[in-house]
Amino acid sequence: RKEVEQDPGPFNVPEGATVAFNCTYSNSASQSFFWYRQDCRKEPKLLMSVYSSGNEDGRFTAQLNRASQYISLLIRDSKLSDSATYLCVSLLGGSNYQLIWGAGTKLIIKP
Amino acid sequence: GAGVSQSPRYKVAKRGQDVALRCDPISGHVSLFWYQQALGQGPEFLTYFQNEAQLDKSGLPSDRFFAERPEGSVSTLKIQRTQQEDSAVYLCASGLQGTSTEAFFGQGTRLTVV
Repeated sequence: RKEVEQDPGPFNVPEGATVAFNCTYSNSASQSFFWYRQDCRKEPKLLMSVYSSGNEDGRFTAQLNRASQYISLLIRDSKLSDSATYLCVSLLGGSNYQLIWGAGTKLIIKP
Repeated sequence: GAGVSQSPRYKVAKRGQDVALRCDPISGHVSLFWYQQALGQGPEFLTYFQNEAQLDKSGLPSDRFFAERPEGSVSTLKIQRTQQEDSAVYLCASGLQGTSTEAFFGQGTRLTVV
């Protein structure tokens, strides 16, 4: 079983809709979590950190559920430019640099 | 631009050939990371440098993989006797500090072993 698991998708969503996807992690020692965005044939870029209390950045909301060991990302009022692969990432417990990556969820926003 | 630069962008190697992948980090960045990303997968950690010191090489898949950063700036990832399973995108990231989430990624080198 992979340490960080995501539904690979693709999620096909009409423009303007709200979409949410989850990610589960198996290592209960993981302390920090992040969402990255990766466009096709490009490098990953940090989208947002995930805080225990949940956090919002514009149209994006991230939440962490430690009891069930999952992280979620919600995108409201989706734009065509949101089409990308979203990677869920945890920081290996006890490390300040070793990231454990999910395989990503592909999102396609349709006009 | 002033971002992380990787070369070559694409490399086709015959099985058994040695390859060298170069990473030019952002000037002044102390930390440097190498990742391997297979098709349809997330990046997998390979190794971590702080300046010229290789602090962690636990992710290197075999002794055919070797990384160096002799002057604490440019880094080279070398793969000896390449095999088909080495085909992947190799990503380099650099950062001011040790925390990899504050690192910036290069666009990667896509290695295809035929």
